[in-house]
Amino acid sequence: EPEVTQTPSHQVTQMGQEVILRCVPISNHLYFYWYRQILGQKVEFLVSFYNNEISEKSEIFDDQFSVERPDGSNFTLKIRSTKLEDSAMYFCASSEDTRKAIYFGEGSWLTVV
Amino acid sequence: DAKTTQPNSMESNEEEPVHLPCNHSTISGTDYIHWYRQLPSQGPEYVIHGLTSNVNNRMASLAIAEDRKSSTLILHRATLRDAAVYYCILRALNRDDKIIFGKGTRLHILP
Repeated sequence: EPEVTQTPSHQVTQMGQEVILRCVPISNHLYFYWYRQILGQKVEFLVSFYNNEISEKSEIFDDQFSVERPDGSNFTLKIRSTKLEDSAMYFCASSEDTRKAIYFGEGSWLTVV
Repeated sequence: DAKTTQPNSMESNEEEPVHLPCNHSTISGTDYIHWYRQLPSQGPEYVIHGLTSNVNNRMASLAIAEDRKSSTLILHRATLRDAAVYYCILRALNRDDKIIFGKGTRLHILP
């Protein structure tokens, strides 16, 4: 069964460093998303991406965040200068269209020290 | 975003059916009703979704009220592996296509 894959599964980085989280969405999907979940809290929407541009972003997704689909298969989330409060599990997700399910990856756990 | 209301937690015995309720009285005509679950230390997992008619798949059944203001996720025979947080979410059929997670229902399965 096709699945969304994410790398790395866990990354530890120093405050102020740049981080890139990578995702390979399901191959025929057109809608892509990033969510995050701080430990013990609910899953929060960050950004949606369709047709090579951002569809919508939340207040969390400030200028330190960016997304890219560089080669038609990968979908990346970059955090330019990490802060302690960016420590969270980041989930990538994809969907074929808006009438269908959204499928999530297993997440990338980011620890900022 | 259209809101949903779910109980904070529920308990069920293993191998018995579980009915998880969800109210969505402000649902619009083009909102799909989605259910996801999150097992401990895992990403959200799609369970089932529907628009107007009841739906069945290998994981669960979705019963949608005739006025669409409520729905029920049915797990036919709960196992310990079904212990998770279950989220009832409305997904709009338009360009604003994201889903927003609420607090969900934490389902405890008793052996």
